[in-house]
Amino acid sequence: NAGVTQTPKFRILKIGQSMTLQCTQDMNHNYMYWYRQDPGMGLKLIYYSVGAGITDKGEVPNGYNVSRSTTEDFPLRLELAAPSQTSVYFCASTHSVGKVVETQYFGPGTRLLVL
Amino acid sequence: AQKITQTQPGMFVQEKEAVTLDCTYDTSDPSYGLFWYKQPSSGEMIFLIYQGSYDQQNATEGRYSLNFQKARKSANLVISASQLGDSAMYFCAMREPSQAGTALIFGKGTTLSVSS
Repeated sequence: NAGVTQTPKFRILKIGQSMTLQCTQDMNHNYMYWYRQDPGMGLKLIYYSVGAGITDKGEVPNGYNVSRSTTEDFPLRLELAAPSQTSVYFCASTHSVGKVVETQYFGPGTRLLVL
Repeated sequence: AQKITQTQPGMFVQEKEAVTLDCTYDTSDPSYGLFWYKQPSSGEMIFLIYQGSYDQQNATEGRYSLNFQKARKSANLVISASQLGDSAMYFCAMREPSQAGTALIFGKGTTLSVSS
């Protein structure tokens, strides 16, 4: 198993540009998440999905969009990049059935710099 | 109010010594989970240990143990016999049923430096 994979590893964007951060997991997890980590801080939830076709906002969703057309993929879209979106982005996944929720596994992260 | 508080921005320890990283949490849910993750300088998030709120015994995973004091709402990570490779940022996180999508809430982290 590759686990959770993310591409690209690093990207520089100009203000106003758009891009999609890719995330794929091969563990058949139903729950997937996008977090951002600002320098010296913990992770904050951007969006999450509890299954294909179902997504919802987290703590810091402004400026982002997501989709979940398959179990495996959960891309994060930045439409109009702003300097405030300079951060490290982590995708994570877990399996949840009823009240049982397993450990979250994280991808390697995407470092984004907006200039 | 912060849900997860890590009061130690940085900790320094010598090889082979034990170290405790502090974590306090705030929740009114009776059912919750507490996690510790390690983030080395390479940036990935590595799961270390998990403690459920109903678990009777403190969790242990190799050199890692979680000192769970429910009444004090603390979940400190204890690393025994520190190694140079333990130098990293450590995050405490909580999952509670009321949290959106059962996502994790993270503290700000503690940087651990292990010297020889």
